[in-house]
Amino acid sequence: EIVMTQSPATLSVSPGETATLSCRASQSVGSNLAWCQLKPGQAPRLLIYGASTRATGVPARFSGSGSGTEFTLSISSLQSEDFAVYYCQQYNNWPLGFGGGTKVEIK
Amino acid sequence: EVQLLESGGGLVQPGGSLRLSCAASGFTFSSYVMSWVRQAPGKGLEWVSTITGSGSITYYADSLKDRFTVSRDNSNNTLYLHMNNLRADDTAVYYCTKDRCSGCPGDYWGQGTLVTVSS
Repeated sequence: EIVMTQSPATLSVSPGETATLSCRASQSVGSNLAWCQLKPGQAPRLLIYGASTRATGVPARFSGSGSGTEFTLSISSLQSEDFAVYYCQQYNNWPLGFGGGTKVEIK
Repeated sequence: EVQLLESGGGLVQPGGSLRLSCAASGFTFSSYVMSWVRQAPGKGLEWVSTITGSGSITYYADSLKDRFTVSRDNSNNTLYLHMNNLRADDTAVYYCTKDRCSGCPGDYWGQGTLVTVSS
């Protein structure tokens, strides 16, 4: 089973700044890495798949990078609606696996 | 517009059973892989199960495959999760997802249904 590790657990950022979230896989997942966003009371939302491809309707301020075992989600010019919990997910191997999440909070 | 609406959650005693449903609309249901993902209180996301469009192939998290069964009714655009011998650690919000392909991440998620296992 591939273990996904996200860091930091919590990231305090001021509106308008850039948030950089990290995700590490215990073995290579190629580019089969997705990011999703969770907000209380809302349906989770897919942001990025294929490590760097934005899902339909996702603003350009969200960008993903990386391959193999190291991945990054960057959120530039943070807006109020971006404060949420973000999860990475590998889909290179069964069982599919999520990281522990990074909470992006207002500084 | 893609819509996924889960139902069937609630309070159940340890050892009990429950069937969750996910009513889908806005896309050709039978053409898409579907999955269940759960989130326990204060915890992260956990993939539970995936089923192909025809329903012929299913996948499960190893720790759940003896107690959970995923199925679908393509004539009624509905996904199911049958859960048996429920335990306290099955307490979670259960989400259904529409997936781009088998093994792919969900590109649409429902809002979830809460299952609470407690005496």
